[in-house]
Amino acid sequence: EVQLVESGGGLVQPGSSLKVSCVASGFTFSSYAMHWFRQAPENGIDWLAYITADSSSTHYAETVKGRFTISRDNAKNTVDMQLSSLRSEDTALYFCVRESGGRGFDYWGQGVMVTVSS
Amino acid sequence: DIVMTQGALPTPVPSGESASITCQSSKSLLHSNGKTYLNWYLQRPGQSPQFLIYWMSTRASGVSDRFSGSGSGTDFTLKISSVEAEDVGVYYCQQFLEYPLTFGSGTKLEIK
Repeated sequence: EVQLVESGGGLVQPGSSLKVSCVASGFTFSSYAMHWFRQAPENGIDWLAYITADSSSTHYAETVKGRFTISRDNAKNTVDMQLSSLRSEDTALYFCVRESGGRGFDYWGQGVMVTVSS
Repeated sequence: DIVMTQGALPTPVPSGESASITCQSSKSLLHSNGKTYLNWYLQRPGQSPQFLIYWMSTRASGVSDRFSGSGSGTDFTLKISSVEAEDVGVYYCQQFLEYPLTFGSGTKLEIK
């Protein structure tokens, strides 16, 4: 069974940093590109970043470029995202998501909540 | 960025009736390879999004054949035939043609 389990969320102050992590199981992790999305409370879904299966390429949304960094460790089946210079508008549920080879996003984690507030 | 615009449903929809959800993109999602890069997802209350449809009209694995996708390069429809209680939630369209990936604002389905 494919599982994506996020961790690392919490309450942080504006301007601070936080790392959210995702552990994958049930599939050959090293064969899939992975993405992070987020959903602010009562809002829609925003794409944030992706990393290719072999980490050769990453891409970011303009809203987080230069502040967020995606990385992965295929030996540990993990994909992380380092969040820095956090703002109140970064408050959201952050999802780790598997890309199904150019088709779409077939498995989503349960999400991890990040709250940025003083 | 490609803007995705979703229509609203006349809620609630009577159980057993069909429902059609519309979505428009600000740019054609038809790729030169012949595929149209439009996906649909359902987010049930309190859950993560569930993958329904890719390439505009192909059902994802395990998705009921009550769900069908259609459209052109910029206008799309998700049809749910004979709606059931388990179909309640917010439906999102999403373009996968180019980055940044973008979603519609969602269409809420309630059942009477």
